[in-house]
Amino acid sequence: EVQLLESGGGLVQPGGSLRLSCAASGFTFSSYAMSWVRQAPGKGLEWVSAISGSGGSTYYADSVKGRFTISRDNSKNTLYLQMNSLRAEDTAVYYCAKSPYYYDSSGLRVEAFDIWGQGTMVTVSS
Amino acid sequence: EIVLTQSPDFQSVTPKEKVTITCRASQSIGSSLHWYQQKPDQSPKLLIKYASQSISGVPSRFSGSGSGTDFTLTINSLEAEDAATYYCHQSSSLPLTFGQGTKVEIK
Repeated sequence: EVQLLESGGGLVQPGGSLRLSCAASGFTFSSYAMSWVRQAPGKGLEWVSAISGSGGSTYYADSVKGRFTISRDNSKNTLYLQMNSLRAEDTAVYYCAKSPYYYDSSGLRVEAFDIWGQGTMVTVSS
Repeated sequence: EIVLTQSPDFQSVTPKEKVTITCRASQSIGSSLHWYQQKPDQSPKLLIKYASQSISGVPSRFSGSGSGTDFTLTINSLEAEDAATYYCHQSSSLPLTFGQGTKVEIK
C-alpha cells in the first residue's frame, strides 16, 4: 500500500525552528517528486515547497523562501522540511504529497498530487 | 503567479442533484488543472487530473472538463458522502497554486 506518514509537528515559539519528516512506503520513492503543502486552520491549501526525485532541484513559495529547506534521503525513503525563523502565520497542518514529474525547457514540472499524508500540525505561538 | 478562482464558494445541494464547480485561471494553463476532494479532518484526495482524466477508484459520477483558463468539475447525482470541500490546483508553472475551495453541503 502506498503510504506517506508525517511527523515532527508541535508547538514552537516565534523565531524558533522545527524539522518535519515524511516517511514513504509502497512505491519507488526516488522516482517521484515530493512536495509540502500546508493548510492554516479553517483555510485553504497552500503549496510550500517541492523537490525532484534525485533531490537536485528544489523550489519554494515566496512566503517561506530563505527560511525553509526541503530535502530528501532516498536511502531512507524520507522527505524533510527544515523550518527556521518561524512566524505565527506558519501555523498550519503540513502535508507531504507525491507526484510524478518531468523536466522541460522551463525546468521541473510537477504533476498532480496523487497521494497525500495525513498531515502534522505546526503551531507557532508564544 | 497564476491565480485560480473557484465559484461558488459554497453550495447546498440535495442528494441526486447535479453539482457544477468552476475554476478560472488568471492565465492560460493548458490542461494542467487538477481537482481534489477534502472531507472534514481528512487529507485531500485526487479526483481528476489534467482537467478531465479520471482516477482509478474515484466514482464515475465525478468528471472534469475545460482547458486554457476555464475548467469545470461536475458531480452527477450527488450522494451524501460527497459532502466536502473541493479544490482546483494548477501545475502549469511554479509557484503551484490552489483555488480557494468550494464547500458542498448536503441539504
